[in-house]
Amino acid sequence: EDKVVQSPLSLVVHEGDTVTLNCSYEVTNFRSLLWYKQEKKAPTFLFMLTSSGIEKKSGRLSSILDKKELFSILNITATQTGDSAVYLCAVDNQGGKLIFGQGTELSVKP
Amino acid sequence: DTAVSQTPKYLVTQMGNDKSIKCEQNLGHDTMYWYKQDSKKFLKIMFSYNNKELIINETVPNRFSPKSPDKAHLNLHINSLELGDSAVYFCASSQDVLMNTEAFFGQGTRLTVV
Repeated sequence: EDKVVQSPLSLVVHEGDTVTLNCSYEVTNFRSLLWYKQEKKAPTFLFMLTSSGIEKKSGRLSSILDKKELFSILNITATQTGDSAVYLCAVDNQGGKLIFGQGTELSVKP
Repeated sequence: DTAVSQTPKYLVTQMGNDKSIKCEQNLGHDTMYWYKQDSKKFLKIMFSYNNKELIINETVPNRFSPKSPDKAHLNLHINSLELGDSAVYFCASSQDVLMNTEAFFGQGTRLTVV
């Protein structure tokens, strides 16, 4: 069965810290891996990764994919309280659906 | 303009009732989805439609019936609601199921069955 596992499940840091969120997957027909940020409401798209070793970057956030070892990491540098959210990793299995992990709840304290 | 909009945002209803959730997207996408997020925050796909045709039905009880009158709308009707149906339901859309593009999510409908 296709599976996506995220770690840690929750994380508490202080403003200015750097965090690394992990996502591993076992999927039969991998097409892409996506990261979303979920605050109170809708998950909002962060990154889509399809190729190994190519870093995607947006401001203080960056992500990379390793298709050999079947994992991805999401890095957030110089964290701010506004980064507090649940970060969701999902894999597109070419079947028209996203398979989500259970999310990492990040709390950034002032 | 809201890209993917759902109504209502909150729904509290009694067991046994029938209710509907509406979803509309103005992105011109061909594919729409319904996801369920349970209390543990797991998002799981329920249905997917591509150009008004059902392409995914993930072993959802047949009390749940999606309807797509056109490719911009995907509504979810639930019959004989049960306590276990309480969850947040998210509608989403993507450009085309055959294309490798991200899905955009609506704000969610929090359904509480009492």
